[in-house]
Order: sequence, then C-alpha cells, then structure tokens
Amino acid sequence: DAKTTQPTSMDCAEGRAANLPCNHSTISGNEYVYWYRQIHSQGPQYIIHGLKNNETNEMASLIITEDRKSSTLILPHATLRDTAVYYCIVPPKNQKVTFGIGTKLQVIP
Amino acid sequence: NAGVTQTPKFRILKIGQSMTLQCTQDMNHNYMYWYRQDPGMGLKLIYYSVGAGITDKGEVPNGYNVSRSTTEDFPLRLELAAPSQTSVYFCASSPLQGSFSGNTIYFGEGSWLTVV
Repeated sequence: DAKTTQPTSMDCAEGRAANLPCNHSTISGNEYVYWYRQIHSQGPQYIIHGLKNNETNEMASLIITEDRKSSTLILPHATLRDTAVYYCIVPPKNQKVTFGIGTKLQVIP
Repeated sequence: NAGVTQTPKFRILKIGQSMTLQCTQDMNHNYMYWYRQDPGMGLKLIYYSVGAGITDKGEVPNGYNVSRSTTEDFPLRLELAAPSQTSVYFCASSPLQGSFSGNTIYFGEGSWLTVV
C-alpha cells in the first residue's frame, strides 16, 4: 500500500493561496490520490481526487507531478474557514483506508 | 439522503461497561468503516467491512467487535470499556466503484465516548 508523507503543520495568510504538499513515492500506476479535510471535531470531508491529470473543483485544485510521486493541494484564496487538518491518502485496492496525521493548516488573518 | 448517521452523539461509560455505537447509511454503499480519533491525533481504523457479512480488522481492533448483517448498518461493540477507549468515533461509508479507483468516503458526525 502506498504511504503518504505530509508536513505536520503550515500557516497561510488569509486571501493567499495555500499550497499543501504530499509525497506518495510508492504509488502504483492506477492508484488515485484523495484529499480530505477535517474542520475541528467534525467528520472528515472529501475535497478532491485525481489519478494523473491536474484536477479542479469548487473547493480546490490538485496538481500531481508527472511521475505521480507527489501532489499539491491548492486552496486558491484561503479563508479563516479553511483552517483545518488536511489528509492526503492513497486508498489501497482492498479499500482498507487509513489516515495519517495530516497537515494542520492555520489560516492567519 | 441522510448520509451516515451515528448514535449516540455523546456517551459516558463506566469502566467495564459495554455498549454499542450504532451506524447506518442510506446510500447503499458497500464499504463501511469505523475510526477512532484521540485528541490531537489522526484517525485510526478500527474495523471495516466490504459488504454484508464481511468484516476485517483495521489498525486498532482490540477491545472492539463489529457485525454487518445488512448493507445499511455497521454497529461497533465495546465489550469491557476501558479509559483508553475514551475517544471520538467516526463511522464512514463508500461506494463500490470498481477496482483500484479508490472511492470517496463519507463520514458521520462522530460519537464522543468517555470512559471513567
């Protein structure tokens, strides 16, 4: 199963882009990268996922490197409500999905 | 759709007591999960199920039991509550979308359990 590595914490100024990196160097060719976020004490919420192409939705953009060994989640204009823990995961084939510690993003006014 | 519903939301147990955390989903999802989250920590997988009648251990199964008699329900049983089981418990589900694609996981709102 592909493991992911994320920084423990990051700060971002309100209104600026938040770029959250994730390393998944052991990812297999047909495994997806998923991002979730967890706002204080709530259940995690799906943000976006991708295979090899960059993806964008109303919440965020996902940039995946050409070799697929890393990705970056981009929140284009961070707000205080984006303060949360962000999880990057690569679900295995058996769907035994585990979450790491994630990145705690603090958006600063 | 109500999504994933967990009950109770809050519960205080005495050491040695037993209880069941209920989880139900109305999205006809094949996969269901139970996670626990200790303060300031990440989510730990307790048990998961790939369909009715099939369950498997996660990262931290000791002290817990599950069953999956229907697609909709996935209760988590604590037999002899211990202070170490004080945590927030999240139930989740995801659809079967074909192999290797990964599936979006939908979480419940959590159940806060304190063992004293």
